[in-house]
Amino acid sequence: ETGVTQTPRHLVMGMTNKKSLKCEQHLGHNAMYWYKQSAKKPLELMFVYSLEERVENNSVPSRFSPECPNSSHLFLHLHTLQPEDSALYLCASSQPGAPDTQYFGPGTRLTVL
Amino acid sequence: AQSVTQPDIHITVSEGASLELRCNYSYGATPYLFWYVQSPGQGLQLLLKYFSGDTLVQGIKGFEAEFKRSQSSFNLRKPSVHWSDAAEYFCAIYSGAGSYQLTFGKGTKLSVIP
Repeated sequence: ETGVTQTPRHLVMGMTNKKSLKCEQHLGHNAMYWYKQSAKKPLELMFVYSLEERVENNSVPSRFSPECPNSSHLFLHLHTLQPEDSALYLCASSQPGAPDTQYFGPGTRLTVL
Repeated sequence: AQSVTQPDIHITVSEGASLELRCNYSYGATPYLFWYVQSPGQGLQLLLKYFSGDTLVQGIKGFEAEFKRSQSSFNLRKPSVHWSDAAEYFCAIYSGAGSYQLTFGKGTKLSVIP
């Protein structure tokens, strides 16, 4: 595997379910990001981890819970989501000294019923 | 706070025709500017970036962009479009100063007619 990978690529869940999104980067980077991409809206930065510490949390509801166990892996734990949370969730990575140049994964298409 | 505007939601061009996608930004200092492309079902791929220096920037896949401070613009161009260029294009700005925030425009969807 090369670059940034995300699993699953598609996820359908009910509002009472608990699920997790996984991101793995194979670029030797130390900063990882979660973005939300909704139709007709700009990409929204959700969380940033640098050297496994959360450095940004952009007022994201607590039903989204990130976890970064090491510099190569990032998770987004989901529980009691709402239908408006349906979106494409993108993971990205960068060198911590170069947050301007981010490399993106293919995304997880999430549908909340 | 910085912002990015992409005035065109959807553009259609014929294969072989030239292309220009518009991007306007709002930021008090000299910004770092980017163009990303997203093909269907894919993540974002960096096409090119401007930090300083020469205002005409060359990128991958034959794309270029020109930074015009007086117009607060960073338009993306390609002299001859290929059918494989059909995708969504995003302009983004980075303010630096220790931030991790890339601010994106809403995107321009490009359709290519054979």
